[in-house]
Amino acid sequence: GQQVMQIPQYQHVQEGEDFTTYCNSSTTLSNIQWYKQRPGGHPVFLIQLVKSGEVKKQKRLTFQFGEAKKNSSLHITATQTTDVGTYFCAGPGGGSNYKLTFGKGTLLTVNP
Amino acid sequence: SAVISQKPSRDICQRGTSLTIQCQVDSQVTMMFWYRQQPGQSLTLIATANQGSEATYESGFVIDKFPISRPNLTFSTLTVSNMSPEDSSIYLCSVEDAVGVNTEAFFGQGTRLTVV
Repeated sequence: GQQVMQIPQYQHVQEGEDFTTYCNSSTTLSNIQWYKQRPGGHPVFLIQLVKSGEVKKQKRLTFQFGEAKKNSSLHITATQTTDVGTYFCAGPGGGSNYKLTFGKGTLLTVNP
Repeated sequence: SAVISQKPSRDICQRGTSLTIQCQVDSQVTMMFWYRQQPGQSLTLIATANQGSEATYESGFVIDKFPISRPNLTFSTLTVSNMSPEDSSIYLCSVEDAVGVNTEAFFGQGTRLTVV
């Protein structure tokens, strides 16, 4: 079945440093979504990318969708302590455009 | 965006018993899902809750262990039956409103289950 791989599993940075997490799917995706889960919280939707090569920005966050629509990345510029949490990518699969397969997530910790 | 009320938020249960988790949405939604998230791990889809019919289960999950109800477009329940310590996990309700290509998922606060 479909697999969504995400690296790194953990990332610890000093406040102000940049951070990137990478996501790769075993199959071509119709879209890819990114979620953030704060410690003790539930996943919160950040963004959805649909088009090949798409780049979207949300303040210090930059999201990219690969040309082949099989990989994606999330880059955070100048991290802040509020960025702490686990970032998940997710793609639809299993024969449905609505059932999501989640990557294992990247846990980001930020040292103030 | 949908507002989801999930309860209980946490529970400690004896092995062999069952727990029913409720998920209430503030608006009618097309798709409702149940996920399991073990501590420090990713989300694993248990099943799709279908309104008015039997849920669709993912590989490794069966109806006898995780019966699901969805009587209408705003409400669903997940029961964890005959619990064992291996069922200790966070259970999350999720909804998607299928509108065009926008399939963002909204999650309930989760139910943190500990089986002793």
